[in-house]
Amino acid sequence: EAGVTQFPSHSVIEKGQTVTLRCDPISGHDNLYWYRRVMGKEIKFLLHFVKESKQDESGMPNNRFLAERTGGTYSTLKVQPAELEDSGVYFCASNPLGTGNYGYTFGSGTRLTVV
Amino acid sequence: GIQVEQSPPDLILQEGANSTLRCNFSDSVNNLQWFHQNPWGQLINLFYIPSGTKQNGRLSATTVATERYSLLYISSSQTTDSGVYFCAVGPGTASKLTFGTGTRLQVTL
Repeated sequence: EAGVTQFPSHSVIEKGQTVTLRCDPISGHDNLYWYRRVMGKEIKFLLHFVKESKQDESGMPNNRFLAERTGGTYSTLKVQPAELEDSGVYFCASNPLGTGNYGYTFGSGTRLTVV
Repeated sequence: GIQVEQSPPDLILQEGANSTLRCNFSDSVNNLQWFHQNPWGQLINLFYIPSGTKQNGRLSATTVATERYSLLYISSSQTTDSGVYFCAVGPGTASKLTFGTGTRLQVTL
């Protein structure tokens, strides 16, 4: 079984530019989550999709961040325009619904550097 | 929101030693997971353990939900166990997780 795939693995962009991160969850996992770790701080929740619907987006920092999951498969997280404080590692995770094993599988993350 | 505290923040062990990592949380939860972040930054799920005890090889975990804590045991530690161990909790099986600040473990030869 393929794991959660994220790309790019690294991205360096200038302040004011746009970046789009992609996450491919494990096939069949209806739940998809985005998290980020900035400046060596705690890993913080951004949002949660159930299939294509946003279940909880309480962690999205501001309207410069836009997440989509069209068709309920892969998800994208766009940052526009990027600011210096957006630098960090963005993680995606998925887990299935209703199987009894609810452990999250995380991707390897995208390290975003805004200069 | 819920608070998650992990202790100790840093731990240095010699290879072969045993250790216990602790996670305290401030409210009742239905989701508790332990993760290992390896030196390459990847988060590996170790246990989904909202209550009870589980074992996987040299690792085991116990959660006492009524007392709001969980313990991760590492026996016969190896250098590959190095990294940061995170505890994360949430209200449901499909919900956002609140992460602790982690325990940084270094296992030396």
